[in-house]
Amino acid sequence: AQSVAQPEDQVNVAEGNPLTVKCTYSVSGNPYLFWYVQYPNRGLQFLLKYITGDNLVKGSYGFEAEFNKSQTSFHLKKPSALVSDSALYFCAVRDVGFGNEKLTFGTGTRLTIIP
Amino acid sequence: GAGVSQSPSNKVTEKGKDVELRCDPISGHTALYWYRQRLGQGLEFLIYFQGNSAPDKSGLPSDRFSAERTGESVSTLTIQRTQQEDSAVYLCASSTPRSEAFFGQGTRLTVV
Repeated sequence: AQSVAQPEDQVNVAEGNPLTVKCTYSVSGNPYLFWYVQYPNRGLQFLLKYITGDNLVKGSYGFEAEFNKSQTSFHLKKPSALVSDSALYFCAVRDVGFGNEKLTFGTGTRLTIIP
Repeated sequence: GAGVSQSPSNKVTEKGKDVELRCDPISGHTALYWYRQRLGQGLEFLIYFQGNSAPDKSGLPSDRFSAERTGESVSTLTIQRTQQEDSAVYLCASSTPRSEAFFGQGTRLTVV
């Protein structure tokens, strides 16, 4: 069965510094990987996805993520953090070609950008 | 519609009552999910519908919880004999096969 791990419950970054939110996964087939963001009292918004092709994918709000097959990771990154990036971030995976391919989410990482 | 629609947006119910939550997915989306999110917590998978396949009910926490979906259309999540621990936001999402899921705004359920 597929699984996703977000090892950090909380990440604090100073405004203007680069940020990384970590995600690792486990699948039996091919991984389709996704990042979502949830702002306070809001629904989940899709940020970016990796399906195939380039390992570095770019998404909304200046975020990007790097797929690393050997390390089974898909870390979310941004070169320069904004206070408005403070939110709850979720990584998700589909185990494609194996099982029912449902979307499985990690437990979330709360990102706080410090002015 | 343009997005996933959930109703009601808020529901307050007395302990022991049954509640029904509704989700209207994006037209053409064959996959539909229900998740539960307690305050400040992560997403708890409840159930997954994919086309005409048997739903994945592995996340339903007890037999008080059930969900149905009519074809590739509306889904309802029913909670019988509600308990205080059922208080949470219930999120619905839909997608085409293998693509990203789009979420509704959720139904905030409060059991008093």
